[in-house]
Amino acid sequence: DAGVTQSPTHLIKTRGQHVTLRCSPISGHKSVSWYQQVLGQGPQFIFQYYEKEERGRGNFPDRFSARQFPNYSSELNVNALLLGDSALYLCASSLARWADVPGNTIYFGEGSWLTVV
Amino acid sequence: DAKTTQPNSMESNEEEPVHLPCNHSTISGTDYIHWYRQLPSQGPEYVIHGLTSNVNNRMASLAIAEDRKSSTLILHRATLRDAAVYYCILRSLGGGSQGNLIFGKGTKLSVKP
Repeated sequence: DAGVTQSPTHLIKTRGQHVTLRCSPISGHKSVSWYQQVLGQGPQFIFQYYEKEERGRGNFPDRFSARQFPNYSSELNVNALLLGDSALYLCASSLARWADVPGNTIYFGEGSWLTVV
Repeated sequence: DAKTTQPNSMESNEEEPVHLPCNHSTISGTDYIHWYRQLPSQGPEYVIHGLTSNVNNRMASLAIAEDRKSSTLILHRATLRDAAVYYCILRSLGGGSQGNLIFGKGTKLSVKP
């Protein structure tokens, strides 16, 4: 079975532009989360979607938005890009909503590397 | 979610056991202890988790102190492929950040041949 897939793998954008990152969860997984990982730091939670509804939001500005489609794939959108948005953006999927439900392993994709110049 | 403290880095020799410590002195009774690792240029991957008792799986063992204020991830025989950043994360059932993980900086493990 395919794991969590993300696209694009690498991209370069200019300050002020908009970017859309895409994620396909593992088949059957209804929960998708997005994380931002700046170089040298651990991943930081941005959003969680479960059953197509936003279920959690981290401490990120309104320039960041996301949505989940009927097939449970997801998009992360970032408007008015800043240099500080340069990071690895990770998508994660799981069967259940809660991270600590026994057996509810969270699986991560390999991420999308965004560079803002 | 309660905070964890891990050493910034550790070194190990190949084929030897590795003990990665994690302190979580403010852990509550409903906090699960999770370990994830992140290999270079990859997303994090689940390693193991536990609540009170020690846990074993094919990747590692998790030893939890009796007072639960600390835990140790044990890799029984380190391989070069185990070189990664290891994150110790507490997850609280019903806590404010349900459904997501709060990562610290983790421990960067280097494995020498």
